[in-house]
Amino acid sequence: DTGVSQNPRHKITKRGQNVTFRCDPISEHNRLYWYRQTLGQGPEFLTYFQNEAQLEKSRLLSDRFSAERPKGSFSTLEIQRTEQGDSAMYLCASSLANFSGNTIYFGEGSWLTVV
Amino acid sequence: AQSVTQLGSHVSVSEGALVLLRCNYSSSVPPYLFWYVQYPNQGLQLLLKYTSAATLVKGINGFEAEFKKSETSFHLTKPSAHMRDAAEYFCAVSELGTASKLTFGTGTRLQVTL
Repeated sequence: DTGVSQNPRHKITKRGQNVTFRCDPISEHNRLYWYRQTLGQGPEFLTYFQNEAQLEKSRLLSDRFSAERPKGSFSTLEIQRTEQGDSAMYLCASSLANFSGNTIYFGEGSWLTVV
Repeated sequence: AQSVTQLGSHVSVSEGALVLLRCNYSSSVPPYLFWYVQYPNQGLQLLLKYTSAATLVKGINGFEAEFKKSETSFHLTKPSAHMRDAAEYFCAVSELGTASKLTFGTGTRLQVTL
């Protein structure tokens, strides 16, 4: 069990550029989540996948944001035409959802700074 | 809709003193409740969880929490604080049975002084 892995850990980009973050979940975990956390706030849910299917998206996820999980393994979160308000830490998490519950494990996060 | 409220954005205790971090929840269905800890520039680590079994839940690092339905509370405690406990603590709720996502509180920063 190597934990949830995210990269890059830090990204500085100019406003208007596109960025992509990658998340590798814990192996055999069928659910994968993306959250966003700004300074002084708790994480906010963005979206989640069960295997390769994207089952829920928050209204926070504007049309500039897109997430994929091809083949139900790793996931990518792309932000197009970045804005300064996108500066945040993007957290990926995974879980094995079954009848006994659903404990969610988080990665170290990817910091985005838009200048 | 479900939500959690963490009372006190900052809590300061002396090393060796009792730690009490407060969390109240709102949920239309029986909830799952969680406490996570976050150290600077790191992700979240699960401390403990309540999933409708025992109301007193023991977690890692000597922390425990008690689910009180009548008070809609899930406060986190530790009998004796250690310097390494200084971190941000988040309470979270998810719906029992679906557990599709977590809704977090705004967090409580714990400071431990000598």
